[in-house]
Amino acid sequence: DQQVKQNSPSLSVQEGRISILNCDYTNSMFDYFLWYKKYPAEGPTFLISISSIKDKNEDGRFTVFLNKSAKHLSLHIVPSQPGDSAVYFCAASPAMNTGFQKLVFGTGTRLLVSP
Amino acid sequence: DTAVSQTPKYLVTQMGNDKSIKCEQNLGHDTMYWYKQDSKKFLKIMFSYNNKELIINETVPNRFSPKSPDKAHLNLHINSLELGDSAVYFCASSPTGHESYEQYFGPGTRLTVT
Repeated sequence: DQQVKQNSPSLSVQEGRISILNCDYTNSMFDYFLWYKKYPAEGPTFLISISSIKDKNEDGRFTVFLNKSAKHLSLHIVPSQPGDSAVYFCAASPAMNTGFQKLVFGTGTRLLVSP
Repeated sequence: DTAVSQTPKYLVTQMGNDKSIKCEQNLGHDTMYWYKQDSKKFLKIMFSYNNKELIINETVPNRFSPKSPDKAHLNLHINSLELGDSAVYFCASSPTGHESYEQYFGPGTRLTVT
């Protein structure tokens, strides 16, 4: 039962253009959403997050949008740079009542930004 | 100054063997995790420890036994290795608290069982 889905396994974008990565989830108990970036032979690194009480969070070139009614979130990268080429994982977590997290990850989208 | 480190980075072994993967974090976090990324690239949580206490155990075969000697270390021991155990195993850590959902990952250990 895949609760977090990234239906596009790959995305190619030209440098300077916008990259839009999408993520859908099924569990209405998810309360917090994160995007991680992963380079080959490295672990995932945290990129940006959003709480369910918000619909947008921005950090520099990265913006995450959340549509709770559609159970959909997206990551926008503007402008895209070749160094952004990596695999991007969407992750979600139910509200932390105990202080411990239980992240559920999507399968990732490989972004290739060409010069 | 690696925040979350794992050893070894690569591990090739035969079916039936017993092996261990070590993880250490120097971030002062209270909670540590083990994840498995299989051939289909699913990254799934296996275990979580908080202050040396097991808090999450996600339907993992009991051939897998995590051990946390102190809150900076979480090791993973696997008995009687099977072909299906081949995967990349990631260790992660996070601070305890209601403010942060971020987890910090190690570089991964690629386990190949032949």
